[in-house]
Amino acid sequence: DAKTTQPPSMDCAEGRAANLPCNHSTISGNEYVYWYRQIHSQGPQYIIHGLKNNETNEMASLIITEDRKSSTLILPHATLRDTAVYYCIVRAPDSGYSTLTFGKGTMLLVSP
Amino acid sequence: DTGVSQDPRHKITKRGQNVTFRCDPISEHNRLYWYRQTLGQGPEFLTYFQNEAQLEKSRLLSDRFSAERPKGSFSTLEIQRTEQGDSAMYLCASSPRTSGGPGDTQYFGPGTRLTVL
Repeated sequence: DAKTTQPPSMDCAEGRAANLPCNHSTISGNEYVYWYRQIHSQGPQYIIHGLKNNETNEMASLIITEDRKSSTLILPHATLRDTAVYYCIVRAPDSGYSTLTFGKGTMLLVSP
Repeated sequence: DTGVSQDPRHKITKRGQNVTFRCDPISEHNRLYWYRQTLGQGPEFLTYFQNEAQLEKSRLLSDRFSAERPKGSFSTLEIQRTEQGDSAMYLCASSPRTSGGPGDTQYFGPGTRLTVL
């Protein structure tokens, strides 16, 4: 799986949009971009994934650049409960099974 | 709640003792994963089960570690002769089987935090 690069930490004011970047310049054409987050002392939580097109669900939006070398996770109205470590992961399609290779992620701190 | 559950949530043991953790996956999820997470790091893959078959083991899984999933439902992870370096959060995840497509979405339990004194 391709490697990802994320900033170690970011700050965001409550109620504002949080935009978390991820670089994955070596991504292959069939690899997906996944985002998970981990709130302190809890297990990771799936947020969203995408291949080429932008994706949106009830938690967040995922914007993938046209060349697919980077992506941005957007939390449109951050709350204090969004404070967590956010992991960007690149995975190949499911050809049997596929583990998740986590980096260190981005620690997002949402402040009042 | 029908999420992944793990027991115990916390375990403190002395070096050299054996410990066993349990994971109950989401019902009908036939894939089960174990991960280990040390302080300040992301989770690292340990092993994977498809139903009751253990299909993959990481090099991190030394011979002191053993995992089972006897009936394809719950799983146990045992560590024998614990060492201080085994102190970590042990996470379990499950997913439904998929074929092709983007790959399975893994749902994680709350983890078991092990402290070896």
